[in-house]
Amino acid sequence: GAVVSQHPSWVICKSGTSVKIECRSLDFQATTMFWYRQFPKQSLMLMATSNEGSKATYEQGVEKDKFLINHASLTLSTLTVTSAHPEDSSFYICSAGGRHTEAFFGQGTRLTVV
Amino acid sequence: KNEVEQSPQNLTAQEGEFITINCSYSVGISALHWLQQHPGGGIVSLFMLSSGKKKHGRLIATINIQEKHSSLHITASHPRDSAVYICAAGSSNTGKLIFGQGTTLQVKP
Repeated sequence: GAVVSQHPSWVICKSGTSVKIECRSLDFQATTMFWYRQFPKQSLMLMATSNEGSKATYEQGVEKDKFLINHASLTLSTLTVTSAHPEDSSFYICSAGGRHTEAFFGQGTRLTVV
Repeated sequence: KNEVEQSPQNLTAQEGEFITINCSYSVGISALHWLQQHPGGGIVSLFMLSSGKKKHGRLIATINIQEKHSSLHITASHPRDSAVYICAAGSSNTGKLIFGQGTTLQVKP
């Protein structure tokens, strides 16, 4: 089956620095990818929809200048958390598919900002 | 009221028991997904349904489109089935997944 690979699986960074998370579709082309955030014991919250070759669509309340999304190719979408702060510590996960196809998720990235 | 409601929220079972997790939704869907999230966070797609019933090993998923209801069944449950099971509706309008709150399942040996 299709595989979505997400890296890194965990990262610890200092407050004020930026962190980039990559999400790659390994054996299929993903024109659209989704980025989610999950707090402990809560469900996934959609942050933004990443569209290849165009600007991402952000959900209400998500700061587009803080969470930069780039989808420059059909197999790679990146999420950059800029000027990270401890409150940005969370589990971030990407996915592709889900509308008329099976949904494929990356392994997730656990971000800890110290 | 959430657009996707799951029940129960928590479920503890003894090994070998038959387990049912329910999902009701109020949006128009292109498909209904059942997902499994392990303690480490990774999410695996179990089923994608648009009608009827699907079976994979000990897992069975059903959907009733008219009633907007789906169920996930686990037969002969095993401790390794312990995980969070998430129902997600693929919105026919937006293409986005709308998630239920998840059901935390613990199967005791």
